[in-house]
Amino acid sequence: EDKVVQSPLSLVVHEGDTVTLNCSYEVTNFRSLLWYKQEKKAPTFLFMLTSSGIEKKSGRLSSILDKKELSSILNITATQTGDSAIYLCAVEAVWGYGQNFVFGPGTRLSVLP
Amino acid sequence: EAGVVQSPRYKIIEKKQPVAFWCNPISGHNTLYWYRQNLGQGPELLIRYENEEAVDDSQLPKDRFSAERLKGVDSTLKIQPAELGDSAVYLCASSNPHRPEQYFGPGTRLTVT
Repeated sequence: EDKVVQSPLSLVVHEGDTVTLNCSYEVTNFRSLLWYKQEKKAPTFLFMLTSSGIEKKSGRLSSILDKKELSSILNITATQTGDSAIYLCAVEAVWGYGQNFVFGPGTRLSVLP
Repeated sequence: EAGVVQSPRYKIIEKKQPVAFWCNPISGHNTLYWYRQNLGQGPELLIRYENEEAVDDSQLPKDRFSAERLKGVDSTLKIQPAELGDSAVYLCASSNPHRPEQYFGPGTRLTVT
């Protein structure tokens, strides 16, 4: 059964701290890994990763995939209170009839002023 | 560009009652997804449409859940009869052809009493 695990499940930091969120997966026919930020209800897309070792970067957020270790990390530097959210990792698996997405439970990040 | 629209945003019903959710995807997005998200968990796929065809409904509890996407645009998800365990947030998402990143609607929070 396809599975995505995230750690930690919850994290509390202060503004200015740097955080690293982890995602590991066991998926048949892996195609891509995606990170989402969920603040209120709707997850919003952050990054899509398909190749190992290539860092994706957007402002203070960056992410990298390690296909050998079946994992990915999401880094946030100089955290701000607006970074408080649930960060979801999803893995795309390819099947004969198309694709499927398996989401992890998310990491709840709280950034204190 | 308008985002994914869902209604209602909140719904409270008694068990054994029917309920329906509506989703309007982003214009031009052929792929539409319905997810269920329980508290503290990541979204779980219920059904995926490519245009008007349901290409993956393996996770949809077919004894009480049904979905349709007439004309390949709007979609409705129905539960009849609802059970206490159906209380969750129901998310709709859409994506471009050949692009895995999904755009989510605000979701419908269902409470079954």
